[in-house]
Amino acid sequence: DAKTTQPNSMESNEEEPVHLPCNHSTISGTDYIHWYRQLPSQGPEYVIHGLTSNVNNRMASLAIAEDRKSSTLILHRATLRDAAVYYCILARAGVKNTDKLIFGTGTRLQVFP
Amino acid sequence: SQTIHQWPATLVQPVGSPLSLECTVEGTSNPNLYWYRQAAGRGLQLLFYSVGIGQISSEVPQNLSASRPQDRQFILSSKKLLLSDSGFYLCAWSRQRDQPQHFGDGTRLSIL
Repeated sequence: DAKTTQPNSMESNEEEPVHLPCNHSTISGTDYIHWYRQLPSQGPEYVIHGLTSNVNNRMASLAIAEDRKSSTLILHRATLRDAAVYYCILARAGVKNTDKLIFGTGTRLQVFP
Repeated sequence: SQTIHQWPATLVQPVGSPLSLECTVEGTSNPNLYWYRQAAGRGLQLLFYSVGIGQISSEVPQNLSASRPQDRQFILSSKKLLLSDSGFYLCAWSRQRDQPQHFGDGTRLSIL
């Protein structure tokens, strides 16, 4: 079954870069790699996703290993508002044009001033 | 812009009672719709998803069912709730594969 492995928690200081690792050794060739983050009592918020190549957007960067068995979410300058649980997710094709997100247990990121 | 609404935000129900949670999406047509459940301290688990009216795919056999009576409406139901049905229920929508899923604010369901 598609599964991701992440550290339970990580810490960072404000304005420092953060690298959140994820292992997904059972990834299939058509699985996308998604990252979401979640604050307490809220729905997850999309961060970034990719298939094979590294991706950048206004929130973060995603570095994908060449064999696709691991990836790293990079927050270039952590702020206090980045404190959340970060989920590395495999998105597996469902029926027709859908994605089934397979969540792991996530990494709780603490950011200190 | 698109918005997704879930209600109620909080619900306390006795064991054996029925359940109906509703999710609606505004600002888009023919979205893919999803129901997830999150147990305390865990990641989300996909329960059902739908690509159109009346089309439901089930991921986890259980005490729940889903229906999509209208294009932008997704309903999660149960005839008789179990204690194990407690959790945080989240609805999400997406346009297509390889696009982000956008989540609602969820319903926290407690079973007594």
